Amino acid sequence: AQSVTQPDIHITVSEGASLELRCNYSYGATPYLFWYVQSPGQGLQLLLKYFSGDTLVQGIKGFEAEFKRSQSSFNLRKPSVHWSDAAEYFCAVGGHTGTASKLTFGTGTRLQVTL
Amino acid sequence: DGGITQSPKYLFRKEGQNVTLSCEQNLNHDAMYWYRQDPGQGLRLIYYSQIVNDFQKGDIAEGYSVSREKKESFPLTVTSAQKNPTAFYLCASIDGGALEAGELFFGEGSRLTVL
Repeated sequence: AQSVTQPDIHITVSEGASLELRCNYSYGATPYLFWYVQSPGQGLQLLLKYFSGDTLVQGIKGFEAEFKRSQSSFNLRKPSVHWSDAAEYFCAVGGHTGTASKLTFGTGTRLQVTL
Repeated sequence: DGGITQSPKYLFRKEGQNVTLSCEQNLNHDAMYWYRQDPGQGLRLIYYSQIVNDFQKGDIAEGYSVSREKKESFPLTVTSAQKNPTAFYLCASIDGGALEAGELFFGEGSRLTVL
C-alpha cells in the first residue's frame, strides 16, 4: 500500500531564512508526487507536482521540490521564506492509475515564520 | 471566477441529528470528492463521484452519504451513524478525474462540531 511520511509536525524559521520540508513516500513504482499548502481554515492549494522527467520541479510562490528515487523523498524547498508562507504543508502521493481517488496525503507540516 | 463553494462554513449539530454539507462547483469538472481532515492527520477520502448519478465509497464512508444529481453539486450528509463527526470537511474537484490532466481544486471547507 502507498504511504506518505512527513517527519516534521511543526517547523519554525525566521523570515528570509531558507526552508526545507521533508517528505518520504512508499510506492511500488514511479509515483505521482504533490505538495499542497493550506492556510488556516482554508482549503488546499497545489504548489507543485511531479509526474516524470526533470527531478527538480518548480512551483508557485517560489517553491521547488526535488524527487530522489534512491531516497524515496520529495522534499520541498524555498530559498527565502516570507511571513506569508506560514501555513500547513501537505505532501501527497498518487499512483499511475492517475485518478485523484488514489491520492494519499501525509499528516502535514505546520510552518511558523518569525519576524 | 470559477471555483468551489462549500456551505455552511461552520455548523453545529446535536448528537443524533443528520446534517448536510453543500458543495457546488462552476468549473465544469466531472469528478468531485469529499475529504475529512482531523488535527494531526492527513486528508481521508469519504466519497467520490466521477460522473453524474454515480459515486463510490472512499476509505471512511461509514456514517456518510452523498448524491450526485447534477454535475455541479455533490452534497454530503453526515448521519447520526457517524460516531465521531466533529471534523473539517473539504470538497474538491478535478476535470475528468485524471491527475495528469488537471489539478485538484479545493473548497474552503466546512467545520462541523457536534455538541
